[in-house]
Amino acid sequence: AQKVTQAQTEISVVEKEDVTLDCVYETRDTTYYLFWYKQPPSGELVFLIRRNSFDEQNEISGRYSWNFQKSTSSFNFTITASQVVDSAVYFCALVRIYGGSQGNLIFGKGTKLSVKP
Amino acid sequence: DAGVIQSPRHEVTEMGQEVTLRCKPISGHDYLFWYRQTMMRGLELLIYFNNNVPIDDSGMPEDRFSAKMPNASFSTLKIQPSEPRDSAVYFCASTPEGLIGTQYFGPGTRLLVL
Repeated sequence: AQKVTQAQTEISVVEKEDVTLDCVYETRDTTYYLFWYKQPPSGELVFLIRRNSFDEQNEISGRYSWNFQKSTSSFNFTITASQVVDSAVYFCALVRIYGGSQGNLIFGKGTKLSVKP
Repeated sequence: DAGVIQSPRHEVTEMGQEVTLRCKPISGHDYLFWYRQTMMRGLELLIYFNNNVPIDDSGMPEDRFSAKMPNASFSTLKIQPSEPRDSAVYFCASTPEGLIGTQYFGPGTRLLVL
């Protein structure tokens, strides 16, 4: 079975600090996709990044960076120089591919990030 | 494009009443998903469709829940009769065939069953 674990329930940092959100996943599939979504206080779910199981390159987008390591089944998310607007719940998720079709997102429980001024 | 549209945004009803949630996916998207978010269970899949055909409804709690997708631009999730434990935020999401897993979510419907 597939599973996504976000061990950090809540994190609180002061503005400009760097923060890393951890994500560990379980799957027996060789082909899968990993995601991070953001849910700000307003409640909508916002897509941040997608990574497939064959691409272990790290990615940087502005203050955001992602570290994917298949050896440890981890897909961690780092925010550099955090800002108050980064305050949100962040979800890591997994999609399995089977029979040439895609399945649903399997979400972790989320990490609530609070960035204080 | 307007994005995924859900209605109503908020619904308050009494136990035993029928509730219908509606979703209009992004035009051209082949997959439509219904998720439910609660504090206890987090975000969980209820059902999803591919080209209007239900693929996996294993997440539908019980017979009180039903979902339909009569055409590519409309889906409904119905709860009859509703119970207080159905109180949650219900999200609809869609994605095109070629963009695996990158689901675009609607704003959600916040349901409160008294």
